[in-house]
Amino acid sequence: EVQLLESGGGLVQPGGSLGLSCAASGFTFSGYAMNWVRQAPGKGLEWVSTISYSGDSTYYADSVKGRFTISRDNSKNTLYLHMNSLRAEDTAVYYCAKDASTVRPYFFEYWGQGALVTVSS
Amino acid sequence: EIVLTQSPGTLSLSPGERATLSCRASQSVGYSYLAWYQQKPGQAPRLLFYGASSRATGIPDRFSGSGSGTDFTLTISRLEPEDFAVYYCQQYGSSPRTFGQGTRVEVK
Repeated sequence: EVQLLESGGGLVQPGGSLGLSCAASGFTFSGYAMNWVRQAPGKGLEWVSTISYSGDSTYYADSVKGRFTISRDNSKNTLYLHMNSLRAEDTAVYYCAKDASTVRPYFFEYWGQGALVTVSS
Repeated sequence: EIVLTQSPGTLSLSPGERATLSCRASQSVGYSYLAWYQQKPGQAPRLLFYGASSRATGIPDRFSGSGSGTDFTLTISRLEPEDFAVYYCQQYGSSPRTFGQGTRVEVK
């Protein structure tokens, strides 16, 4: 059974930094691209970032480019998202999502339960 | 960027009724690379369909997906109580991947 467990969410002040982790199990983690997708309170879904299976390629939404960094440790089956210069509009539940593809970004096959990030003073 | 517009915004129906949800793209979605997700309150989204019409593992056959080009449809033939939720379409034919704004299916 595929399991994705996010951690690291919380309250941070505007301009601050925060890191999220996603522990994966139930599949060959090193074989798949991985993603972060977020959902602001009461709003729809927004793709945030993708990393290839090897970690060599990363992709970002324009709204977070230059502020967020996605990474992975295939030896620990863990995905990360480091967020800098946080803004109020970054407040959202952040979901870790397994891609259906090994290389080309595809659809989001499995999702974690989400981690809430609140940016507020 | 491909913009996906879902309609209606809210669908009020009774259990046993048929639900038809629309997802229209601002430009053609290559290879019908369109997925549908279901999200219940307080839960993560769940994949229903990919490739417009390929059912994901464990999805009941009362759900069906269809369409190509710019027009896609999710149909629930007979609504069960557990089907009342928000449904999102998502295209992965071009970058960046984008979602529709969602259709809420609520109990009438």
